[in-house]
Amino acid sequence: SAVISQKPSRDICQRGTSLTIQCQVDSQVTMMFWYRQQPGQSLTLIATANQGSEATYESGFVIDKFPISRPNLTFSTLTVSNMSPEDSSIYLCSVGVSSYNEQFFGPGTRLTVL
Amino acid sequence: QKEVEQNSGPLSVPEGAIASLNCTYSDRGSQSFFWYRQYSGKSPELIMSIYSNGDKEDGRFTAQLNKASQYVSLLIRDSQPSDSATYLCAVVYNFNKFYFGSGTKLNVKP
Repeated sequence: SAVISQKPSRDICQRGTSLTIQCQVDSQVTMMFWYRQQPGQSLTLIATANQGSEATYESGFVIDKFPISRPNLTFSTLTVSNMSPEDSSIYLCSVGVSSYNEQFFGPGTRLTVL
Repeated sequence: QKEVEQNSGPLSVPEGAIASLNCTYSDRGSQSFFWYRQYSGKSPELIMSIYSNGDKEDGRFTAQLNKASQYVSLLIRDSQPSDSATYLCAVVYNFNKFYFGSGTKLNVKP
């Protein structure tokens, strides 16, 4: 597995503002992903963060709302833009570290939008 | 639409009993299957992976896969109160694209 850290661990933000979440891995990984877990719900994939190219977004998620950067093989950021209370959620990054498709999750960022 | 179905529970079992968690999926093309454990307020933790039909055992955990019937299950033997958590089934469609079930909440009563 890999050691994954996320910053911030939690934040309370005002409506209309943006928050950037950082994900750092202790080793180089090819695949990095961003998920959202809304209260009491399961995980939903937002996008795959591709190193050196634009992220691949899932249906219902757009780059203008969730811009993602992946400058190298150990780091990625997710920005939640123009936030509304509906964006209140836990945001998780994950990494794929083996040829068997296993994914490991970071500790998550708990976001509350007022 | 890729679907992964789990009974939300809660599933209550006494300490020392076997807990049986089930998951069905909609796409026969999926190749990889995972069970994650998620404690309240924590991120999911990978506990089992299975890729071929049959059983796979790891300590007190056994994963079972039946591709013909499109279900995967997790058995927890000698359940402990520390096993109380939500268990998420994940199925991989296409390369590395995970779809998660809604999770089954397990309560192990002392």
